Amino acid sequence: GAGVSQSPRYKVAKRGQDVALRCDPISGHVSLFWYQQALGQGPEFLTYFQNEAQLDKSGLPSDRFFAERPEGSVSTLKIQRTQQEDSAVYLCASSFNKQETQYFGPGTRLLVL
Amino acid sequence: DQQVKQNSPSLSVQEGRISILNCDYTNSMFDYFLWYKKYPAEGPTFLISISSIKDKNEDGRFTVFLNKSAKHLSLHIVPSQPGDSAVYFCAAEAGTASKLTFGTGTRLQVTL
Repeated sequence: GAGVSQSPRYKVAKRGQDVALRCDPISGHVSLFWYQQALGQGPEFLTYFQNEAQLDKSGLPSDRFFAERPEGSVSTLKIQRTQQEDSAVYLCASSFNKQETQYFGPGTRLLVL
Repeated sequence: DQQVKQNSPSLSVQEGRISILNCDYTNSMFDYFLWYKKYPAEGPTFLISISSIKDKNEDGRFTVFLNKSAKHLSLHIVPSQPGDSAVYFCAAEAGTASKLTFGTGTRLQVTL
């Protein structure tokens, strides 16, 4: 069956460049989460959507980070004016509803040079 | 402030023996706990979970134990198999918050 998919799998950006990371959740999953995983660390929460509503964005590290899910399905995480400290794996997860098990995609590895 | 801690970065166990992975937490609002397994270049895969109203949950070779008074949980894998070699993350959830708070992971190596 189709799991969570993310694209691109790898992205190299020059410092100052804008990037957009895409997440396709499992069909029918209402809740969608973004996490950031730095090297040697566990994933850290960025933001959460229930359908198209962004209910929690407390983990976004700065106003350069923006996420959207306009039709309640596919989500995009955008990072403006990328910095070297943004280099990490960005993980997307979806669940049938909130407080249900979260299923993760393979992640997008972002390297900012 | 690390609210979920996995103090052992790595663990090596012989095939067929028991693997015990530990996790401690500090936030008393956490009421649901999960273990995820992660292979290189893949996303975390859900393994097993436990609610704070229970002290044990079992699924095949995997058992999770929760000690609320000690704010400690552990994952037991019996018997360990080479395919279990991966990084294991402990994660916790508080009430209706939905977001997961992860530990830093323990790399398990199961040797022949």
